[in-house]
Amino acid sequence: EPEVTQTPSHQVTQMGQEVILRCVPISNHLYFYWYRQILGQKVEFLVSFYNNEISEKSEIFDDQFSVERPDGSNFTLKIRSTKLEDSAMYFCASSSLGPLYGYTFGSGTRLTVV
Amino acid sequence: AQTVTQSQPEMSVQEAETVTLSCTYDTSESDYYLFWYKQPPSRQMILVIRQEAYKQQNATENRFSVNFQKAAKSFSLKISDSQLGDAAMYFCTSLLTQGGSEKLVFGKGTKLTVNP
Repeated sequence: EPEVTQTPSHQVTQMGQEVILRCVPISNHLYFYWYRQILGQKVEFLVSFYNNEISEKSEIFDDQFSVERPDGSNFTLKIRSTKLEDSAMYFCASSSLGPLYGYTFGSGTRLTVV
Repeated sequence: AQTVTQSQPEMSVQEAETVTLSCTYDTSESDYYLFWYKQPPSRQMILVIRQEAYKQQNATENRFSVNFQKAAKSFSLKISDSQLGDAAMYFCTSLLTQGGSEKLVFGKGTKLTVNP
């Protein structure tokens, strides 16, 4: 079964450092998403991406965050200057037909900011 | 605002038995979709079942079915003939379709244990 692949599975970074989380969506999918889950809290939406541009973003997704699909296969989330409160599990997801038909999520990257 | 509530942090079931996971949601919108996602330990989250709010008929996918009560804003998941592979975290989610939103709203999840 096709999978969404996220790397790394765990990342530890110092506060103030830039971090890039990487995702390889399923190859024929056109819609891409990032979600995050802070420990003990609900999974929450960050951003959606379609046709090489952001289609929707949440209030969390401020200027410190950016997304990119640099080469047609990878989908990255960059956090420019990490804060302690950015520590969370970050999930990438993709969909072939759009959100009404459901997503396939990756296994997540656990980001720890120290 | 949309909210999704899963009141059961953990549930357990005996293999081959039936279990029901509860979910309630709150929205003032009329057009929305509801989903259950399953996340096995250390594995990716996958879609289990979806329900369009405008459909009265409850969705069914093999051993998985929902009880969708629109007036009560309830969307429970029934797993019949539970198998060991059903052990996972189950998330109830909603998606508003008005305005073209793509944002899934999640409940906190229910951890299901299947006992042999």
